Amino acid sequence: QVQLVQSGAEVKKPGASVKVSCMASGYTFTNYAMHWVRQAPGQRLEWLGWINVGNGNTKYSQKFQGKVTITRDTSASTAYMELSSLRSEDTAVYYCARWPTTSWYFDLWGRGTLVTVSS
Amino acid sequence: QSALTQSRSVSGSPGQSVTISCTGTSSDVGGYNYVSWYQQHPGKAPKLMIYDVSKRPSGVPDRFSGSKSGNTASLTISGLQAEDEADYYCCSYAGSYTVVFGGGTKLTVL
Repeated sequence: QVQLVQSGAEVKKPGASVKVSCMASGYTFTNYAMHWVRQAPGQRLEWLGWINVGNGNTKYSQKFQGKVTITRDTSASTAYMELSSLRSEDTAVYYCARWPTTSWYFDLWGRGTLVTVSS
Repeated sequence: QSALTQSRSVSGSPGQSVTISCTGTSSDVGGYNYVSWYQQHPGKAPKLMIYDVSKRPSGVPDRFSGSKSGNTASLTISGLQAEDEADYYCCSYAGSYTVVFGGGTKLTVL
């Protein structure tokens, strides 16, 4: 079954970091790129960045440059998104989304990982 | 990048048609034919409904259609059904390997 399986919910204190994983199954991991998108409670989708799974190159939204780090482990068919210096405003559901690279759209999404930042 | 502008809500009765608009600039919506639309039910992940302005992925009913004129893209849903009630987000390529999402539109089926 073609799917993206994300890690479970996290609760973190302000100033901490969090690393969310996204494991791909049912397709060749390196044939697609992976994007990360977040959604704060009741808010819109917000694009964070993406990784070229084949060579590891990354591109980040200007807003999240220096705050987000996206990596991957091809042997585990898994992409990771690490968010640092957490603040309460980072409380959101974080999604990974597959990008076919032939055009600009996301054809497969993970179910999301809720990250709660609270003291 | 600023978010693309979408109307906050739209409504229609079953069987009717509704159109959701998405306005950007010449640097995103107007500059590329890479607008996609996503449907999101409460507590669920987004689902691709339209890509490349007007193409439908397999499995998406042909009641969903997309178009673009200038800096504004549109999603039209005809023959509204109860299950179409959801949030809808547009997304556009914005150059330099970046994308931008719209603010989202809540569709209510009366």
